[in-house]
Parts: sequence; C-alpha cells; structure tokens
Amino acid sequence: TQLLEQSPQFLSIQEGENLTVYCNSSSVFSSLQWYRQEPGEGPVLLVTVVTGGEVKKLKRLTFQFGDARKDSSLHITAAQPGDTGLYLCAGEWYVRFGAGTRLTVKP
Amino acid sequence: NAGVMQNPRHLVRRRGQEARLRCSPVKGHSHVYWYRQLPEEGLKFMVYLQKENIIDESGMPKERFSAEFPKEGPSILRIQQVVRGDSAAYFCASSVSSYNEQFFGPGTRLTVL
Repeated sequence: TQLLEQSPQFLSIQEGENLTVYCNSSSVFSSLQWYRQEPGEGPVLLVTVVTGGEVKKLKRLTFQFGDARKDSSLHITAAQPGDTGLYLCAGEWYVRFGAGTRLTVKP
Repeated sequence: NAGVMQNPRHLVRRRGQEARLRCSPVKGHSHVYWYRQLPEEGLKFMVYLQKENIIDESGMPKERFSAEFPKEGPSILRIQQVVRGDSAAYFCASSVSSYNEQFFGPGTRLTVL
C-alpha cells in the first residue's frame, strides 16, 4: 500500500515567516502532486513533480521532489494570510492523498 | 468556461434514505473521480470512471455505494440506506485523460440525521 504521510499536521505562523511542509512515503512514485484546499472548496492543483531531485517554483512557493521519488517538500517564503489553507500531496495522480497540513498564517 | 459542477452543494438525509450526488465534469473531460473527505481529514479516493465504464472502484465500499458515468449526462454517486457515518464532503474531479491534471468541483456536503 502506498501511504503518504504529511507533516506537520497543523502549522500556525505569523505573516512574513518561512515554513516547510513535508510529504513522505516508503514507496516510489512516478509523479507527485501538491494541492491547496480552502474551506468549503475543492482542492486546486499547485504543481506536479515527476523527476527525482526536481525543484519547481511558483512565486513564493518552492516544491522539491526527493532524489529517490519517495518524498517531497513545499517551502513557502514570507508567508501571507492568503496562504492559509489545507495543503495536500497526492501520488500517482489520483489514488493516494496524504491527510494534509493545515496552515494558518496570522496577520 | 465552466469548471466541474456538483449538485446539490448541501444534502440532508435521514438514516435509511438514499442520497444521489451529481457531478458534471469540465466540458470535454471524459474521466471522473469521486473522493470522500471527513472533517479535518484529507481526501479518500472512492472510484474512477470513464464514460460508461468503471476503471477503478478499489476505494468504494462494496455495499450501499454505486457510481455511474453514462454516455449522456452527469456522473452519479449513489448511496443507499444512508447511515450517520456517511456524513462527509464528497468531491468529484475530472480530467481530459488518465494521468493528467484533475480539476475538482466544490463538493457536496452530506449530512445524515
């Protein structure tokens, strides 16, 4: 079973701080997706990583796929209240979702 | 340019009733996925359908739950004889092909009294 574990489960920080959240598995994935979900809405895809060691940037968000394609991280620089939400990672496009990291950025 | 549409957005049922959740995918998408989300939890995959076919139903309970995606019309997730444990948000997503970006709908929040 390909399980995805996300950490931390909850994170509350002040505006302007940096943070990193993690998505780990004991299994190898051919691709991994990161989503953000806001309350009352469906998840929105942020990025897909497919190559071991790959780094992708989306404005203040930096995504990295581990060399062995078993883990990934999301780093946010200078967090803003608009970054508040549930960050989910998913493996192999649709079957496996992690439980998510619930981020709160306080003004 | 409509995205994925789900209706109803909120559904209240009493124990033992049937719940029907509808999902209209993005125009041109022939792949539909259903997920369940409990409060404060992530998404749990239920079923993956392509027009008129079930591709993967490994996450769907064997009893009381069924899904279809007919040639014409929306995809339907049907829950018979609902129980309180069925209370959750149910999300539908669609994609143009397998192993491609999924677009999620706003969800249907089912409450079983």
